[in-house]
Amino acid sequence: DSGVTQTPKHLITATGQRVTLRCSPRSGDLSVYWYQQSLDQGLQFLIQYYNGEERAKGNILERFSAQQFPDLHSELNLSSLELGDSALYFCASSMGTGTTPGNEQFFGPGTRLTVL
Amino acid sequence: AQSVAQPEDQVNVAEGNPLTVKCTYSVSGNPYLFWYVQYPNRGLQFLLKYITGDNLVKGSYGFEAEFNKSQTSFHLKKPSALVSDSALYFCAVRASTRSGGYNKLIFGAGTRLAVHP
Repeated sequence: DSGVTQTPKHLITATGQRVTLRCSPRSGDLSVYWYQQSLDQGLQFLIQYYNGEERAKGNILERFSAQQFPDLHSELNLSSLELGDSALYFCASSMGTGTTPGNEQFFGPGTRLTVL
Repeated sequence: AQSVAQPEDQVNVAEGNPLTVKCTYSVSGNPYLFWYVQYPNRGLQFLLKYITGDNLVKGSYGFEAEFNKSQTSFHLKKPSALVSDSALYFCAVRASTRSGGYNKLIFGAGTRLAVHP
């Protein structure tokens, strides 16, 4: 158990809908990262937050957004969902701001999103 | 551009035999390399990392990895495979982003390890 929790485990919804994925980092970790794992794209970095502020953006679509709250949990919001958004979404956390390359990231169990 | 390649989709090995899962990387600057394992319906678990120092890195569950700068490789190894090692293995490199720092991991496509009794 990594100490990173994600809810829900599974989410099934329809095209055009909006969903929210939730993540709680390990105790003491201030950085939260979101990744998408799909069959065609593999594991891709979406976005990072540190202590409530956005720190880095990856291949995140404009229809997707995220935020990190004062209690350090994070939410990833996916809107206007398309079939191609079906994937496993992982949250990870780490110590520090992301400027220390040696800090490993600890991953949650993921949320499997199915868009029908 | 920074990238990671795992040339084998699947590796098959008999229980008790040594195993190697291959990884090569391309980075500008110093490489910061990681191995993760993913079991079915589970998240990624950290196995080991190379930051600097000894080229042979020891990690969890008896795994180790050998960093080779001249060959830009970071192969994962285990002297004696177990059936329970069967899983999906990902090599990753810590990459810098436009905003600075080393915020993201770039993953290889993954290698499925199948250990047969």
